Amino acid sequence: TQLLEQSPQFLSIQEGENLTVYCNSSSVFSSLQWYRQEPGEGPVLLVTVVTGGEVKKLKRLTFQFGDARKDSSLHITAAQPGDTGLYLCAGARRGTYKYIFGTGTRLKVLA
Amino acid sequence: EADIYQTPRYLVIGTGKKITLECSQTMGHDKMYWYQQDPGMELHLIHYSYGVNSTEKGDLSSESTVSRIRTEHFPLTLESARPSHTSQYLCASSRDNYEQYFGPGTRLTVT
Repeated sequence: TQLLEQSPQFLSIQEGENLTVYCNSSSVFSSLQWYRQEPGEGPVLLVTVVTGGEVKKLKRLTFQFGDARKDSSLHITAAQPGDTGLYLCAGARRGTYKYIFGTGTRLKVLA
Repeated sequence: EADIYQTPRYLVIGTGKKITLECSQTMGHDKMYWYQQDPGMELHLIHYSYGVNSTEKGDLSSESTVSRIRTEHFPLTLESARPSHTSQYLCASSRDNYEQYFGPGTRLTVT
């Protein structure tokens, strides 16, 4: 069974701090997405990475896809209370249009 | 901005009732998905469809059923609701292997 493990599971930090969330698997994915979800809402896509070693930046968020396309990281610089939410990674299984979701990282940024 | 809609947003219903959760998208996406999510947890795929008249069961066994008679519409039905069905149900659609767009979800409570 393919699994996507995220770490840490919970993270509570002060405004202005930096943080990194990891998404790891033993399986290769054709692409990997990062989503942010707020309570009572559906996940919202932040970014998709496709190429091994790819790095994408979205304002204060930096996303990296591992060289072997088995893992990814999300780095937030100078976190703000508006970054609070559940962060989910999702891998697209090779040869299919099905996605497997990570275990999630719940981030709380304190003002 | 994603154009995918789910109704109702909240549903409280008694055991044994039949329910249908509606999901519609206006983006013309071929692929549609239903996920089940407990609060703050990962998403589990319960059904997916690659096009009209195509439906498959996902990774998480579910007593629900789905239909895909029109491209834009992907309803989920529970013939006899039970308390164990209490959860959030998220509908999503995609055009390719690089992103999914989610609806706001239906929070179902079975008493």
